Amino acid sequence: RKEVEQDPGPFNVPEGATVAFNCTYSNSASQSFFWYRQDCRKEPKLLMSVYSSGNEDGRFTAQLNRASQYISLLIRDSKLSDSATYLCVAHFGNEKLTFGTGTRLTIIP
Amino acid sequence: DAGVIQSPRHEVTEMGQEVTLRCKPISGHDYLFWYRQTMMRGLELLIYFNNNVPIDDSGMPEDRFSAKMPNASFSTLKIQPSEPRDSAVYFCASSFSTGLTEAFFGQGTRLTVV
Repeated sequence: RKEVEQDPGPFNVPEGATVAFNCTYSNSASQSFFWYRQDCRKEPKLLMSVYSSGNEDGRFTAQLNRASQYISLLIRDSKLSDSATYLCVAHFGNEKLTFGTGTRLTIIP
Repeated sequence: DAGVIQSPRHEVTEMGQEVTLRCKPISGHDYLFWYRQTMMRGLELLIYFNNNVPIDDSGMPEDRFSAKMPNASFSTLKIQPSEPRDSAVYFCASSFSTGLTEAFFGQGTRLTVV
């Protein structure tokens, strides 16, 4: 089983809709989590950190459920510019970040 | 700051040739990571350094792969000899304190081995 698992998608969502995807992790000792965004043929970039209490940044909301070992990302009022691959990232207590394989999102006009 | 700088951006080489990928991390960052990304396997950590010292190279696929960090501002990833299955995008990333802070990625080197 992979340490971080995501539904690869693709998710095709009409503009203005709300979309959510989850990511599960296998190591209960994991300490911190992040969502990265990767545009086509570009490098990954940090979208937001995920805090235990949940956090929001504009149209984006991240949640952490330690009991069920998953994190989620919710995008409201989706824009065409939100089309990208979203990578779930976990830090398992050592010094390295472990990435999921990503969920591909396409916003349709 | 110019960010993490990788070179070359693209590399096409013949099977059996030596390939060297280069990375300049962000000044002041003490962690450096080499990742490989393919469609099938996603983003895989190959090796990472802390203060120029290799900490974990368990992700390096074979002895054909080697990485060095002779100083705080430069690292190389070498493949010798290269094989077609090494074709991928190789990313270098750096951070000030991994796990709790953002990792900044370079633009990657797209390697094609024919």
